[in-house]
Amino acid sequence: EIVLTQSPGTLSLSPGERATLSCRASQSVSSDSLAWYQQRPGQAPRLLIYGASSRATGIPDRFDGSGSGTDFTLTIRRLEPEDSAVYYCHQYGGSPFAFGPGTRVEIK
Amino acid sequence: QVRLVQSGAEVTKPGASVKVSCKTSGYTFSAYYIHWVRQAPGQGPEWLGWISPDNGGTKYAQKIQGRFIMTTDTSIDSAYMELRSLTSDDTAVYYCARDNGLLLPTWWGQGTVVTVSS
Repeated sequence: EIVLTQSPGTLSLSPGERATLSCRASQSVSSDSLAWYQQRPGQAPRLLIYGASSRATGIPDRFDGSGSGTDFTLTIRRLEPEDSAVYYCHQYGGSPFAFGPGTRVEIK
Repeated sequence: QVRLVQSGAEVTKPGASVKVSCKTSGYTFSAYYIHWVRQAPGQGPEWLGWISPDNGGTKYAQKIQGRFIMTTDTSIDSAYMELRSLTSDDTAVYYCARDNGLLLPTWWGQGTVVTVSS
């Protein structure tokens, strides 16, 4: 069973800054089957990135995914107030699929 | 456009059962798996499993195997998950989500709050 850890737990940044979120897997994620979701309060998760680095439909190019194997990164450039949310990584390469505990991004 | 609309909130007692529904539209229902994911208060999402509407095949997380049952009704493009022998630990928002063809939950329902309390 693959366990995902995310760091940091919380990021507090100003508009226009860059956020770097980390996701580490306890073992290699098959075929880079790693996704990132954004979840705002009271809403369902929204798919941002799949296949470690491909943006989902309609996602701005300020959001970039990278990494492979066990180490993955979500970078959000030029932060906007609407980016305030919790971000989860998710591996779907091997059952049981798993989500990380999340990184909260706060916009000052 | 792809839409998934879930049934309303449920409040129930320990040991009881509830059935959550997920009505889909905007695509060919049988062509894509439906995933179920739950999220306990203040926690991250937890993947529960998927079902293939095409052939009824399922994959469950071991934690809920035998206690939660996923089904579909292709005549009305709907998926269901029956939750049995509920405990307070099952209190959560339950989401259905359509797959993207690569086992990835992509389009999500609005969630159904299930509260288990004596």
